[in-house]
Amino acid sequence: QQPVQSPQAVILREGEDAVINCSSSKALYSVHWYRQKHGEAPVFLMILLKGGEQKGHDKISASFNEKKQQSSLYLTASQLSYSGTYFCGTDIAGGTSYGKLTFGQGTILTVHP
Amino acid sequence: EPEVTQTPSHQVTQMGQEVILRCVPISNHLYFYWYRQILGQKVEFLVSFYNNEISEKSEIFDDQFSVERPDGSNFTLKIRSTKLEDSAMYFCASSSLFRTGAGTSAWNEQFFGPGTRLTVL
Repeated sequence: QQPVQSPQAVILREGEDAVINCSSSKALYSVHWYRQKHGEAPVFLMILLKGGEQKGHDKISASFNEKKQQSSLYLTASQLSYSGTYFCGTDIAGGTSYGKLTFGQGTILTVHP
Repeated sequence: EPEVTQTPSHQVTQMGQEVILRCVPISNHLYFYWYRQILGQKVEFLVSFYNNEISEKSEIFDDQFSVERPDGSNFTLKIRSTKLEDSAMYFCASSSLFRTGAGTSAWNEQFFGPGTRLTVL
């Protein structure tokens, strides 16, 4: 039931791009993306809804393929501040779920100067 | 900017003792959550709470756990008899609904508190 993220870890140089994927075995109502820095709370990045609507960070883009139950987060021209662990959280029930999110195992992104 | 607060930031307790973790959600949010994160692992859902009752709970949230909203601002997680494996970071979160362009309701982002690190010895 837990979504699967790939890759598990990415190492980049500043300015390089990365894609993080999130795949679910269940039909999804929405996908939420969060970034967590070491020792801190997860911070919201994006919501992608069934039907194509998105909400969130204007410097980060993402996609949501409802048929494949997959989402991807695109980090372009990476900065040192992008380093952290990225989690996707999936909502399989929409308005009936009371907002429960099931998180993937995380993707560790490290950006070097 | 509104934020979720949690106290204490770190709690050390002996196995078998009761602990209460406290949270103050964002004031106009109606949906509250507890998550836990064992060191180096993913964030795991424990429980959601709406309208003064539990709306959903995970398998982790057994009889040793309880939640309460004792007043209009605090939201607490109690662990009755702590075990070694309860050692983790506990995050409180709150959220709201928003109206989508299609006219349906959808979940807004969850605002996470800074967490309480629970260490059970």
